Parts: sequence; structure tokens; C-alpha cells
Amino acid sequence: EVHLSESGGGLVQPGGSLRLSCAASGFTFSNHWMHWVRQAPGEGLVWISHINNDGKRTNYADSVKGRFTISRDNAKSTLYLQVNSLRDEDTAVYFCARGAAGSMIVGNDYWGQGTLVIVSS
Amino acid sequence: DIQMTQSPSSLSASVGDRVTITCRASQGISNSLAWYQQKPGKVPKLLIYAASTLQSGVPSRFSGSGSGTDFTLTISSLQPEDVATYYCQKYNSAPWTFGQGTKVEIK
Repeated sequence: EVHLSESGGGLVQPGGSLRLSCAASGFTFSNHWMHWVRQAPGEGLVWISHINNDGKRTNYADSVKGRFTISRDNAKSTLYLQVNSLRDEDTAVYFCARGAAGSMIVGNDYWGQGTLVIVSS
Repeated sequence: DIQMTQSPSSLSASVGDRVTITCRASQGISNSLAWYQQKPGKVPKLLIYAASTLQSGVPSRFSGSGSGTDFTLTISSLQPEDVATYYCQKYNSAPWTFGQGTKVEIK
């Protein structure tokens, strides 16, 4: 069974940093693109970033470019999101989600439960 | 970047009604579109990919259509368990932008 489990969220002051993790199991992690999506309280889904299966290709939403860094450790089946220079508007639940394996893109077919990041002084 | 616009932003319909949600891309995206359902307090669930392909396990009352810039999600007979917010997402290229969501309620 595919399972994604995020951790690392918490309360952080503006300008602070956190490292979010997403532990994957139940599938061959190294075959899949992986994504981060966030959702502010009461708001919609916002795509943040993705990384290809070997970690060499990444993309970011403009709103986080230069502040957030996505990475992965295939040996540990773990996805990361380093979030720096946090702002009030980064307050959200951060989800990791599974992406494509190979060339067949089907959207994000499995999602974790999310980890809450609260940016507040 | 390509923008994704959903309409309506919310709707209320009776059990058994046919419900249609529209998603428009600001530029053509071929059929690189997914639909998700997010029930209150729950994680998003993939319903449809490639604009019209039903994800495994999704009830057949859900269907998707469209290509290029205009897409629709249809629920053929609304059920109480379909109360949720529905999102479209384009994935032809980064960023994988979501629509703003359509909240579906029972009248």
C-alpha cells in the first residue's frame, strides 16, 4: 500500500526556516517524480514544487522561488522541502504528493496527510 | 504562466441532479488536465487525469471532457457523499497550476 507521511512542520517566526520531510513507502520511490502542494487555512490548493526521479530536475512556483528548495534521498525514500525566509503568507498545510513514473503523467495519485506550518511572531 | 479558472466557485444541487463544473486554461494545454475531489478536512483525491480518464476506483458517475483550453467535470447523479470542493490542475508543464476550486453542496 502506498503511504506518504510528512513531518517537520511547526510554529516559526517570520524570516525563519524549516525542513519538511515526506517519508514514502509501498512503491518504488526512485521511479517517481514527487511534488509539494500547500493549502492555506480555508483556501485552495497551490502547487509549490516538483522534482524528477533522480533529483536532477526541479521546478518551483514563482511565489517560493529562491526561498524554498526541494530535494530527495532515494536511498531513504524521503522527499524534502527546505523552506527559508518564511513569510506570514507561507502559513499552510504542506502536502507531498506522488507524481509520474516514466513518461505517463497522471497527475498526483497519492497524497500525504500534510504537515502544518504556521509563520507568526 | 498559464492560469486556470474554474466556474462556478460554488453550487448547490439536489441529490440525483446532473452537475457540471468548468475549467478554462488561459492557453492550450492539450489534454494535460486532472480533476481532484477534496472533502472537508480530508486530503485531495485524484478523480480524473488526461482530461477524461477515470482514476481506478472512482465511481462512474464522474466523467471529464475537453481539450485545449476548455474542460468539464460532470457528476451524472449527485450523491450526498459528493459534497466536496473540486479542483482542476494542469500538468503540461511547470507550474502545475490548480484552479481556485468549486464547492459543491446539497440543496
